[in-house]
Amino acid sequence: DGGITQSPKYLFRKEGQNVTLSCEQNLNHDAMYWYRQDPGQGLRLIYYSQIVNDFQKGDIAEGYSVSREKKESFPLTVTSAQKNPTAFYLCASSIGLQTSTDTQYFGPGTRLTVL
Amino acid sequence: AQSVTQLDSHVSVSEGTPVLLRCNYSSSYSPSLFWYVQHPNKGLQLLLKYTSAATLVKGINGFEAEFKKSETSFHLTKPSAHMSDAAEYFCVVSDGQNFVFGPGTRLSVLP
Repeated sequence: DGGITQSPKYLFRKEGQNVTLSCEQNLNHDAMYWYRQDPGQGLRLIYYSQIVNDFQKGDIAEGYSVSREKKESFPLTVTSAQKNPTAFYLCASSIGLQTSTDTQYFGPGTRLTVL
Repeated sequence: AQSVTQLDSHVSVSEGTPVLLRCNYSSSYSPSLFWYVQHPNKGLQLLLKYTSAATLVKGINGFEAEFKKSETSFHLTKPSAHMSDAAEYFCVVSDGQNFVFGPGTRLSVLP
């Protein structure tokens, strides 16, 4: 079964703790993305990566960090510096950023609640 | 810079009646346009996309959208709503390097 998996589906953390959200894809896609979604808002881009060992900040990168050590994996760490971390986090992938007709495919999301 | 406007934050229709979800965009380039659907607590699923081929694009679940360059619009339609269509719908514009999401339209389907 090809696709994108995110784990866990629901995550609860205490304020002040770092937490890492997993995203894995077996689509052989070069590009991967992390978005944050808040109620009544569209998706906002946190970080994206075009190739292994390279990633770029999106529109709201402050308080987040990522790594891309393997093509299939793009974990997101929500640090204690993120002021309002409670949100729904979506990971996506696409064949490559330079293709004008490229399509993003999304994982099922992780709902993070910071208590 | 690109932008997307979804004119209605919430649309309510009766089951069996037509659906129209509106999307307008601005882009300096010939854009690619997408519609995604999101059911509660789920990821986004691609409904259809326009990539400078036919202006009328057919997608999954009976949805279609028409690209109108003169109106900078890409409205999503379906002839007959089903209860399972109740969800959030996002219009997206891309220049091949950046994907910009609209704020979403929540579709309610009444029995």
